Amino acid sequence: EAGVAQSPRYKIIEKRQSVAFWCNPISGHATLYWYQQILGQGPKLLIQFQNNGVVDDSQLPKDRFSAERLKGVDSTLKIQPAKLEDSAVYLCASSFAGGRENIQYFGAGTRLSVL
Amino acid sequence: AQSVSQHNHHVILSEAASLELGCNYSYGGTVNLFWYVQYPGQHLQLLLKYFSGDPLVKGIKGFEAEFIKSKFSFNLRKPSVQWSDTAEYFCAVIPYNQGGKLIFGQGTELSVKP
Repeated sequence: EAGVAQSPRYKIIEKRQSVAFWCNPISGHATLYWYQQILGQGPKLLIQFQNNGVVDDSQLPKDRFSAERLKGVDSTLKIQPAKLEDSAVYLCASSFAGGRENIQYFGAGTRLSVL
Repeated sequence: AQSVSQHNHHVILSEAASLELGCNYSYGGTVNLFWYVQYPGQHLQLLLKYFSGDPLVKGIKGFEAEFIKSKFSFNLRKPSVQWSDTAEYFCAVIPYNQGGKLIFGQGTELSVKP
Protein backbone atom coordinates (compact mmCIF):
# COMPACT_ATOMS: atom_id res chain seq x y z
CA GLU A 1 0.00 0.00 0.00
CA ALA A 2 1.42 3.37 -1.00
CA GLY A 3 1.99 5.81 1.84
CA VAL A 4 1.47 9.55 2.06
CA ALA A 5 3.48 11.26 -0.67
CA GLN A 6 4.94 14.73 -0.25
CA SER A 7 7.01 16.95 -2.48
CA PRO A 8 9.44 18.53 -2.61
CA ARG A 9 11.57 16.93 0.10
CA TYR A 10 13.68 20.05 0.57
CA LYS A 11 13.21 23.71 -0.27
CA ILE A 12 15.44 26.70 0.32
CA ILE A 13 14.04 30.18 -0.24
CA GLU A 14 14.76 33.72 0.82
CA LYS A 15 12.47 35.61 3.15
CA ARG A 16 9.51 37.31 1.50
CA GLN A 17 9.45 34.69 -1.28
CA SER A 18 6.54 32.32 -1.70
CA VAL A 19 6.60 28.53 -1.55
CA ALA A 20 4.15 25.68 -2.03
CA PHE A 21 4.10 22.12 -0.78
CA TRP A 22 2.13 19.22 -2.20
CA CYS A 23 0.62 16.19 -0.51
CA ASN A 24 -1.08 13.08 -1.86
CA PRO A 25 -2.75 11.06 0.92
CA ILE A 26 -3.25 7.33 1.15
CA SER A 27 -5.96 6.24 -1.27
CA GLY A 28 -9.38 6.29 0.34
CA HIS A 29 -8.40 8.48 3.27
CA ALA A 30 -10.96 11.23 3.74
CA THR A 31 -9.08 13.26 6.32
CA LEU A 32 -5.89 15.15 5.61
CA TYR A 33 -3.72 17.09 8.04
CA TRP A 34 -0.83 19.55 7.69
CA TYR A 35 1.56 19.84 10.62
CA GLN A 36 4.51 22.17 11.18
CA GLN A 37 7.51 20.79 13.04
CA ILE A 38 10.07 23.34 14.16
CA LEU A 39 13.49 21.99 15.10
CA GLY A 40 13.50 20.63 18.64
CA GLN A 41 9.70 20.60 18.93
CA GLY A 42 6.91 18.17 18.23
CA PRO A 43 4.64 18.62 15.21
CA LYS A 44 1.86 21.20 15.56
CA LEU A 45 -1.37 20.98 13.57
CA LEU A 46 -1.86 23.77 11.06
CA ILE A 47 -5.01 22.61 9.28
CA GLN A 48 -7.29 19.58 9.05
CA PHE A 49 -9.48 18.75 6.05
CA GLN A 50 -12.40 16.33 5.90
CA ASN A 51 -12.77 15.58 2.18
CA ASN A 52 -12.50 19.08 0.68
CA GLY A 53 -13.84 20.97 3.69
CA VAL A 54 -11.82 22.57 6.49
CA VAL A 55 -12.42 21.06 9.94
CA ASP A 56 -9.83 22.98 11.96
CA ASP A 57 -7.56 25.81 10.86
CA SER A 58 -7.36 27.57 14.22
CA GLN A 59 -3.56 27.47 14.29
CA LEU A 60 -2.96 28.42 10.66
CA PRO A 61 -1.39 31.91 10.31
CA LYS A 62 -3.91 33.00 7.76
CA ASP A 63 -2.16 36.24 6.87
CA ARG A 64 0.57 34.24 5.12
CA PHE A 65 -0.43 30.58 5.02
CA SER A 66 -3.14 29.06 2.85
CA ALA A 67 -4.13 25.51 2.06
CA GLU A 68 -6.58 23.83 -0.23
CA ARG A 69 -7.88 20.39 -1.07
CA LEU A 70 -10.08 21.13 -4.02
CA LYS A 71 -11.14 17.64 -5.11
CA GLY A 72 -10.90 16.00 -1.71
CA VAL A 73 -7.69 14.15 -2.56
CA ASP A 74 -4.41 16.05 -3.10
CA SER A 75 -3.65 19.12 -1.06
CA THR A 76 -1.31 22.08 -1.33
CA LEU A 77 0.00 24.30 1.45
CA LYS A 78 1.32 27.72 0.50
CA ILE A 79 3.31 30.34 2.35
CA GLN A 80 3.36 33.87 0.97
CA PRO A 81 5.46 35.73 1.96
CA ALA A 82 7.79 33.51 3.96
CA LYS A 83 9.47 34.64 7.16
CA LEU A 84 12.60 33.32 8.82
CA GLU A 85 10.53 31.68 11.55
CA ASP A 86 8.74 29.55 8.96
CA SER A 87 11.86 27.38 8.68
CA ALA A 88 10.56 23.96 9.69
CA VAL A 89 9.54 20.55 8.41
CA TYR A 90 6.01 20.51 7.01
CA LEU A 91 4.34 17.16 7.50
CA CYS A 92 1.26 15.88 5.78
CA ALA A 93 -0.78 13.09 7.35
CA SER A 94 -3.95 11.28 6.40
CA SER A 95 -6.48 9.05 8.10
CA PHE A 96 -9.45 7.01 6.93
CA ALA A 97 -11.82 9.37 8.75
CA GLY A 98 -11.60 12.18 11.26
CA GLY A 99 -12.12 11.71 14.94
CA ARG A 100 -10.11 10.53 17.91
CA GLU A 101 -9.82 6.84 17.02
CA ASN A 102 -8.50 7.15 13.49
CA ILE A 103 -4.81 6.46 13.03
CA GLN A 104 -2.88 9.16 11.23
CA TYR A 105 -0.23 8.12 8.73
CA PHE A 106 2.53 10.59 8.02
CA GLY A 107 4.52 11.48 4.94
CA ALA A 108 8.27 12.07 4.91
CA GLY A 109 7.81 15.83 5.12
CA THR A 110 9.18 18.86 3.32
CA ARG A 111 12.10 20.59 5.01
CA LEU A 112 11.89 24.34 4.42
CA SER A 113 14.80 26.67 5.06
CA VAL A 114 14.09 30.40 4.86
CA LEU A 115 17.24 32.51 4.53
CA ALA B 1 -1.63 25.89 29.39
CA GLN B 2 -2.71 22.45 28.35
CA SER B 3 0.17 20.45 26.97
CA VAL B 4 2.05 17.19 26.53
CA SER B 5 5.42 16.93 28.28
CA GLN B 6 8.20 14.49 27.63
CA HIS B 7 10.67 14.39 30.47
CA ASN B 8 13.88 13.75 28.60
CA HIS B 9 15.21 15.56 25.57
CA HIS B 10 18.03 13.12 24.83
CA VAL B 11 18.62 9.65 26.28
CA ILE B 12 21.79 7.63 25.67
CA LEU B 13 21.81 3.91 26.47
CA SER B 14 23.95 0.91 25.78
CA GLU B 15 22.51 -2.09 23.99
CA ALA B 16 20.53 -4.43 26.26
CA ALA B 17 19.77 -1.65 28.73
CA SER B 18 16.17 -1.08 29.75
CA LEU B 19 14.31 1.95 28.50
CA GLU B 20 11.62 4.10 30.02
CA LEU B 21 10.56 7.38 28.41
CA GLY B 22 8.23 9.60 30.37
CA CYS B 23 5.15 11.34 29.01
CA ASN B 24 2.66 13.45 30.94
CA TYR B 25 -0.32 15.39 29.67
CA SER B 26 -2.44 18.06 31.25
CA TYR B 27 -5.83 17.50 29.62
CA GLY B 28 -8.79 16.50 31.75
CA GLY B 29 -11.43 14.09 30.59
CA THR B 30 -11.05 11.25 28.15
CA VAL B 31 -7.93 11.18 26.02
CA ASN B 32 -6.54 8.90 23.34
CA LEU B 33 -2.81 8.35 23.67
CA PHE B 34 -0.11 7.53 21.15
CA TRP B 35 3.59 6.98 20.83
CA TYR B 36 5.10 7.68 17.42
CA VAL B 37 8.69 6.93 16.38
CA GLN B 38 10.85 8.53 13.72
CA TYR B 39 13.91 6.52 12.67
CA PRO B 40 16.75 8.47 11.04
CA GLY B 41 15.75 9.55 7.55
CA GLN B 42 12.28 8.03 7.81
CA HIS B 43 8.77 9.29 8.38
CA LEU B 44 6.85 9.30 11.65
CA GLN B 45 5.21 5.95 12.30
CA LEU B 46 2.89 4.65 14.98
CA LEU B 47 4.53 2.61 17.72
CA LEU B 48 1.46 1.98 19.88
CA LYS B 49 -1.81 3.51 20.99
CA TYR B 50 -4.27 3.48 23.87
CA PHE B 51 -7.97 4.17 23.46
CA SER B 52 -9.60 2.24 26.31
CA GLY B 53 -9.44 -1.06 28.20
CA ASP B 54 -6.26 -2.64 29.54
CA PRO B 55 -3.98 0.24 30.49
CA LEU B 56 -0.89 -1.77 29.53
CA VAL B 57 -0.59 -1.73 25.77
CA LYS B 58 1.90 -3.53 23.59
CA GLY B 59 3.22 -2.14 20.33
CA ILE B 60 5.63 -3.10 17.62
CA LYS B 61 9.26 -4.13 18.15
CA GLY B 62 8.81 -5.11 21.81
CA PHE B 63 7.68 -1.71 23.06
CA GLU B 64 4.92 -1.29 25.62
CA ALA B 65 3.33 1.62 27.43
CA GLU B 66 1.28 1.99 30.57
CA PHE B 67 -1.55 4.48 30.98
CA ILE B 68 -1.86 5.71 34.56
CA LYS B 69 -4.94 7.91 34.65
CA SER B 70 -4.32 9.25 38.16
CA LYS B 71 -0.88 10.47 37.12
CA PHE B 72 -1.88 11.70 33.65
CA SER B 73 0.99 9.62 32.34
CA PHE B 74 1.68 7.28 29.42
CA ASN B 75 5.27 6.10 29.77
CA LEU B 76 6.98 4.05 27.09
CA ARG B 77 9.10 1.03 28.04
CA LYS B 78 11.28 -1.61 26.49
CA PRO B 79 13.13 -4.22 28.56
CA SER B 80 16.20 -4.44 26.32
CA VAL B 81 17.04 -1.88 23.65
CA GLN B 82 18.90 -2.54 20.42
CA TRP B 83 21.07 -0.28 18.31
CA SER B 84 18.24 -0.22 15.76
CA ASP B 85 15.99 1.52 18.32
CA THR B 86 18.00 4.70 17.83
CA ALA B 87 15.33 7.21 16.84
CA GLU B 88 13.23 10.11 18.04
CA TYR B 89 10.15 9.20 20.04
CA PHE B 90 7.07 11.38 20.30
CA CYS B 91 4.21 11.09 22.73
CA ALA B 92 0.90 12.46 21.45
CA VAL B 93 -2.59 12.97 22.79
CA ILE B 94 -6.02 13.54 21.28
CA PRO B 95 -8.24 15.11 23.98
CA TYR B 96 -11.95 14.30 23.96
CA ASN B 97 -12.96 17.69 22.57
CA GLN B 98 -10.29 18.12 19.89
CA GLY B 99 -11.67 16.05 17.04
CA GLY B 100 -8.76 14.28 15.39
CA LYS B 101 -6.11 16.83 16.34
CA LEU B 102 -2.92 15.17 17.60
CA ILE B 103 -1.09 17.21 20.22
CA PHE B 104 2.55 16.19 20.42
CA GLY B 105 5.20 16.41 23.09
CA GLN B 106 8.57 17.85 22.15
CA GLY B 107 10.13 14.48 21.49
CA THR B 108 12.91 12.40 23.05
CA GLU B 109 15.96 11.49 21.03
CA LEU B 110 17.21 8.01 21.91
CA SER B 111 20.75 7.02 21.05
CA VAL B 112 21.71 3.37 21.60
CA LYS B 113 25.40 2.59 21.67
CA PRO B 114 26.41 -0.81 20.24
